[in-house]
Amino acid sequence: GAGVSQSPRYKVAKRGQDVALRCDPISGHVSLFWYQQALGQGPEFLTYFQNEAQLDKSGLPSDRFFAERPEGSVSTLKIQRTQQEDSAVYLCASSPLQTGGSSYEQYFGPGTRLTVT
Amino acid sequence: DAKTTQPTSMDCAEGRAANLPCNHSTISGNEYVYWYRQIHSQGPQYIIHGLKNNETNEMASLIITEDRKSSTLILPHATLRDTAVYYCIVRALTGGGNKLTFGTGTQLKVEL
Repeated sequence: GAGVSQSPRYKVAKRGQDVALRCDPISGHVSLFWYQQALGQGPEFLTYFQNEAQLDKSGLPSDRFFAERPEGSVSTLKIQRTQQEDSAVYLCASSPLQTGGSSYEQYFGPGTRLTVT
Repeated sequence: DAKTTQPTSMDCAEGRAANLPCNHSTISGNEYVYWYRQIHSQGPQYIIHGLKNNETNEMASLIITEDRKSSTLILPHATLRDTAVYYCIVRALTGGGNKLTFGTGTQLKVEL
């Protein structure tokens, strides 16, 4: 079946530009996560949605980062006024279970590689 | 979530068992041990998880010590396609505890 998809797969932005990264989770998955992965490092949590509600945004590095999931399915991560330090792979993951479930397997997309020049 | 310690890298011959260790000495009673792997240029992939009993699935086995302070992921017959970074993650399944906290993982290289 279809997994998590992300677009674009690669994005090059000039410093100061705004970018929007899209995530299509697995159909019916309630939970959606965004992670940032710098070169040579493990992914780091950015934010979490349960349906359309953003329940945790503690990992967003600055107010230039904004995420939304207005209808509880597709999500967009927006970065305003991109900086070089924003260069990373942005990963989206979805999960079928809400808080309190017994299994928290997260299904990851392939990621969007953002390069800020 | 408790912190984990893994070796930076390991090598394994194809067809042999790959045993990947993880230390999690500060694990709490309600925290599970999860393993994910990340093949180059792909997103992480779930492998297995457990609380205190040993677990086995079609991908791997997870051996957790009796004191739960360490665990070992076993790939019984490693293939070249198992070359990846393997992450050991400890997390509690409580309200708001959904996020995964990755470390730097173990780079496993399977060779002919």
